[in-house]
Parts: sequence; structure tokens; C-alpha cells
Amino acid sequence: AQSVTQLGSHVSVSEGALVLLRCNYSSSVPPYLFWYVQYPNQGLQLLLKYTSAATLVKGINGFEAEFKKSETSFHLTKPSAHMSDAAEYFCAVTPYNQGGKLIFGQGTELSVKP
Amino acid sequence: DTEVTQTPKHLVMGMTNKKSLKCEQHMGHRAMYWYKQKAKKPPELMFVYSYEKLSINESVPSRFSPECPNSSLLNLHLHALQPEDSALYLCASSQEQGSSYGYTFGSGTRLTVV
Repeated sequence: AQSVTQLGSHVSVSEGALVLLRCNYSSSVPPYLFWYVQYPNQGLQLLLKYTSAATLVKGINGFEAEFKKSETSFHLTKPSAHMSDAAEYFCAVTPYNQGGKLIFGQGTELSVKP
Repeated sequence: DTEVTQTPKHLVMGMTNKKSLKCEQHMGHRAMYWYKQKAKKPPELMFVYSYEKLSINESVPSRFSPECPNSSLLNLHLHALQPEDSALYLCASSQEQGSSYGYTFGSGTRLTVV
């Protein structure tokens, strides 16, 4: 079955530093890929999505992700972290053959130090 | 309107109570979803409705009963719940089931079963 692996359950960066959150998927056929952010006590907000158009995807709040088929990866980056970026980040996949389910990785909690 | 609205935001219920969670969207989306999220965990799919018909039931116990009265409204009826059912219940919608556009999530209902 299709799965998503997020490396690192917790990432801590300093304000202004590069943010890199890692996501790998398992599939021979590239699925639809998404990054969602969840702030405390809130729902999930879509940051960006890959749907086979461009491999470098730009999202909201300065985030972007690069789809690399050879590495089955879809890592999320932001050049300069802001305190307001502190949240839980989920990588998710919609496999072609599972009835449209959105399957989430385990999540990465991002902390930003002043 | 680009939102999914969930009510109530918080709910405390006893194990013998009957209550309902409500979800509404006016984006013309034809697929709607219920997810359950425990603390520090990713959301887990419970039900999928497509064009007002139940499409996926992820082997959810019968004490959870979904209902889709029309294309804009999704309910989750709760009866005889257990304390372990305490969680954040998230509703989501998408243009179609398995859409490449991603899901729009509501802010959730925080349920506590006592």
C-alpha cells in the first residue's frame, strides 16, 4: 500500500534559518502529493501540492517543495524561518488506486527559536 | 465562500448521550470526508461521501453514523461513545473524490467523552 514517511518527528531551527522538512513516498507511480500545516487547536491548511505539472512547487507563506522521482521525495523548504511558522507539518499522498483517500505521514513538529 | 464550517467547536458528552457533529461547505464540492485525529497523530480517514453517497467506510464502529442530507452538508451522529473516542474530528471537502486539487479542512470539533 502507498505510504508516506516523514523523517524527523521534530525539527528545530533558529529564526531566519533555512527550514527543511523531509518527505518520502512509496510508489512506482507518482501520486498526487501535498503538504499541510496545522497550527495548535486548528484544522489543516493546504500549503502546496504536486500534481505532475512542475517539479518545483511554490506554496503559501514562502514555502516550496521539489518533487524528485528518482529519490521518491517531496521535501518542503523555506529559505528563512519566521516565528509564525512554528506548527505541525504533514506530508500527504493521494494514491491513484485507493479511492481518493488522502494518506498522511506521521507529521513533523517545527519549532522556531528566536 | 472558501471555507468548511464545523459546529460545535467543542463538545463534551457522556457515554450514554447522543450527539451530532455538523459540517457545511458552499464551494460546490462533491466529495466530503470525516477524519479523526488523536493528539500528536496524523488524521485518520473515517468516511468518504461522493455525490451524497457513502463511498468509503474505513471499518468505523457503528456508534459513529454519518449522514449526507445534501451536497453541502455532512453530519456525524454519535451514540454510546467510549472515552477512547475523545479526539479532534475534522471534516474536509474536495471538488471530486481523489481530486488533485487537495482537500479543504474545517477547524474541527474537539470531542471529549466522559
